[in-house]
Amino acid sequence: EPEVTQTPSHQVTQMGQEVILRCVPISNHLYFYWYRQILGQKVEFLVSFYNNEISEKSEIFDDQFSVERPDGSNFTLKIRSTKLEDSAMYFCASSEEGSSPLHFGNGTRLTVT
Amino acid sequence: GEDVEQSLFLSVREGDSSVINCTYTDSSSTYLYWYKQEPGAGLQLLTYIFSNMDMKQDQRLTVLLNKKDKHLSLRIADTQTGDSAIYFCAEGPQGGKLIFGQGTELSVKP
Repeated sequence: EPEVTQTPSHQVTQMGQEVILRCVPISNHLYFYWYRQILGQKVEFLVSFYNNEISEKSEIFDDQFSVERPDGSNFTLKIRSTKLEDSAMYFCASSEEGSSPLHFGNGTRLTVT
Repeated sequence: GEDVEQSLFLSVREGDSSVINCTYTDSSSTYLYWYKQEPGAGLQLLTYIFSNMDMKQDQRLTVLLNKKDKHLSLRIADTQTGDSAIYFCAEGPQGGKLIFGQGTELSVKP
């Protein structure tokens, strides 16, 4: 069964550094998302992306964050200058249409030291 | 704002039925979902129900939706040790912005 894949599974970075989290959505899906889960807290929506542009973003998704679909298969989340509070599990998801169920990847655990 | 609430823990014996409950606030939700998260793994879509349905059955899983009370439940029949995981309820309109509950940790004892 096709799945969403994320790399790396774990990323450690120093405060102030830039990180790029990578995702390969399911190939025929058109809608892409990033969510995050801070340890012990709920899974939170960050951003949705369709037709090469952001369709919705949460208040968490400030100017430090950006998303890109650099080619036909990858979908990336960039955090420009990481803070300690960015430490979390970041999940990528995709859906076939805007009204279809979301399929999530296994996540990237980001640790900012 | 929208909110989804679940109890944090549930413990059952192998072979028993498990019932995980969830309440939500957004009456405009189109879909309600159940995701399963095993340790170190991602969010696995278990099942989902359209908001105009009141029940959906899929093998050992039964989802019940009470729209009036905004209550969703997931029943797992004949629970196995492999069902031990965290189960997340989520609601969403179209467009993929899901609101998640805090997750219910299901522990299955042999």
